[in-house]
Amino acid sequence: QKEVEQNSGPLSVPEGAIASLNCTYSDRGSQSFFWYRQYSGKSPELIMFIYSNGDKEDGRFTAQLNKASQYVSLLIRDSQPSDSATYLCAVNYGGYQKVTFGTGTKLQVIP
Amino acid sequence: DTAVSQTPKYLVTQMGNDKSIKCEQNLGHDTMYWYKQDSKKFLKIMFSYNNKELIINETVPNRFSPKSPDKAHLNLHINSLELGDSAVYFCASSQDPLQETQYFGPGTRLLVL
Repeated sequence: QKEVEQNSGPLSVPEGAIASLNCTYSDRGSQSFFWYRQYSGKSPELIMFIYSNGDKEDGRFTAQLNKASQYVSLLIRDSQPSDSATYLCAVNYGGYQKVTFGTGTKLQVIP
Repeated sequence: DTAVSQTPKYLVTQMGNDKSIKCEQNLGHDTMYWYKQDSKKFLKIMFSYNNKELIINETVPNRFSPKSPDKAHLNLHINSLELGDSAVYFCASSQDPLQETQYFGPGTRLLVL
């Protein structure tokens, strides 16, 4: 059973701080990794994807991948109340779109 | 313009009924999916179609039957609804089966009484 694990939270950070969201996965053969944001009552939307070890930055978001340790993280700099949402980690184990989602981490940014 | 749309948005029904959920995408994508998100927010893939052909069929009860009349539409029919079917069902699409960015529809909130 291929698994993707996240701390369900809630993770509370003050406005302007860095939010750090973590995700671990079970299969070393995993090829690509995604972070989706889901506001309450809404559908998931893709924030970032990463394929290679290291960091990938996009605006206030940085995805970090460490395949040796089998974890992927998402950093949100200068957190805003509008960042309050559930963040879903997803892993593609290869082949036809077999994307497995974690249960998500709920982030609360306190004004 | 809505990229991936689903109807209905809400569905409340009695146990034992049969219901359908429709999905349409106007992105020109070849691949479409159905996901189920339960009360604990766990999002699990159910089916995937590429160009009207079934390519992923996860372990779901055979009461669930997807149908793809063309590559822009993927419908989900559920027979003999059970309490445990209550969830949010999301349709999604991607450009092709190996294209990993998926675009989700707004979801259909199903409540079985």
